[in-house]
Amino acid sequence: GEDVEQSLFLSVREGDSSVINCTYTDSSSTYLYWYKQEPGAGLQLLTYIFSNMDMKQDQRLTVLLNKKDKHLSLRIADTQTGDSAIYFCAETGTGFQKLVFGTGTRLLVSP
Amino acid sequence: SAVISQKPSRDICQRGTSLTIQCQVDSQVTMMFWYRQQPGQSLTLIATANQGSEATYESGFVIDKFPISRPNLTFSTLTVSNMSPEDSSIYLCSVSGLAGVTDTQYFGPGTRLTVL
Repeated sequence: GEDVEQSLFLSVREGDSSVINCTYTDSSSTYLYWYKQEPGAGLQLLTYIFSNMDMKQDQRLTVLLNKKDKHLSLRIADTQTGDSAIYFCAETGTGFQKLVFGTGTRLLVSP
Repeated sequence: SAVISQKPSRDICQRGTSLTIQCQVDSQVTMMFWYRQQPGQSLTLIATANQGSEATYESGFVIDKFPISRPNLTFSTLTVSNMSPEDSSIYLCSVSGLAGVTDTQYFGPGTRLTVL
């Protein structure tokens, strides 16, 4: 079945870049997503990448996709304390509409 | 994106009772989904709410425990039946099929359920 793995925790200083990594197993994924969850809140869609792309940039966010290695990363430039949250990657699993979520990475940004 | 609301935002319930969670979208959507997020865990899909027909449940989830309704293209309910403390979770609805962004899922704020 589908499996999506992330490192559990990342700590950075304000102003540094953050890189959150994700590996997945379903090579048929069409879209891959990054969501942000702040404490006590729902999920906010940050960005997504189509599977035939290698990179997507959106302001401070850069998504890199290595389809051969089934590896997805999210880089946040100039990380701010407001970026502290849990970040989930997700892929469209079997059944086009089904989302399979990673385990989530807790990002802590210190001043 | 659409505005998605859920009611209630949180609740504390007694064992053996049932709770119905509502999800309302401010525009018509093709697909609506219900997810569960257990404490400190990731999200797991419970079911796809189908308009005008029975919901499609994922492995490990059954209709008797999680009955779902979807009477129209903007509204769905999830009932958590005969609750036990293991049902304490955040329940989130999501939608997709918004105009121009057909496959991307957008999430509601979630319902935080505590079962005593």
